[in-house]
Amino acid sequence: AQSVTQLDSQVPVFEEAPVELRCNYSSSVSVYLFWYVQYPNQGLQLLLKYLSGSTLVKGINGFEAEFNKSQTSFHLRKPSVHISDTAEYFCAVKGGDSGSARQLTFGSGTQLTVLP
Amino acid sequence: DAGITQSPRHKVTETGTPVTLRCHQTENHRYMYWYRQDPGHGLRLIHYSYGVKDTDKGEVSDGYSVSRSKTEDFLLTLESATSSQTSVYFCAISVAGLSSYNSPLHFGNGTRLTVT
Repeated sequence: AQSVTQLDSQVPVFEEAPVELRCNYSSSVSVYLFWYVQYPNQGLQLLLKYLSGSTLVKGINGFEAEFNKSQTSFHLRKPSVHISDTAEYFCAVKGGDSGSARQLTFGSGTQLTVLP
Repeated sequence: DAGITQSPRHKVTETGTPVTLRCHQTENHRYMYWYRQDPGHGLRLIHYSYGVKDTDKGEVSDGYSVSRSKTEDFLLTLESATSSQTSVYFCAISVAGLSSYNSPLHFGNGTRLTVT
């Protein structure tokens, strides 16, 4: 079965500073990777996705992520954060073995808090 | 907007009572999912459906059943609610026209269920 590890449950950062949210996954076969953002009392919104091709993926709101197959990682980055980026961020993986190929498995989430 | 409506948005019920949550979509997508969200666990898959009357279990299916008699509706039932089922429940769809293996999920706004 798939597993996704988000290494930091909380990340505080000052406004305009860079941020990296870390994500590692378990599968050794081809997978598809996603980052979602959840603002308070809302559903999840897709930030970006890696399906194939370039390992650097750009998403909405200035976020980007880099797929690293050898390290089974998909870390999310933003060069300069804003107060409005305060939210919970979830890494998710789809694919791998046939039993879970259509299921999306989530990490436990990282709460990003941007401080003034 | 993927046209997903969850109802009710909030529900308080007593232990031992049956509860049904509804997910309605307007765009005839084939794949629909029910997740629960709990602090420290991210989102975990309860059940999913790949067509009318076609459903399968997810990671945390015990105590839950689902039904899909029409393409647009996917119902989640707690036959006898327990306090451990207090959670936020999210419905999601996989966008039609894309491969079910690599398409991201689009989420509803959630139902907050409290079992007292």
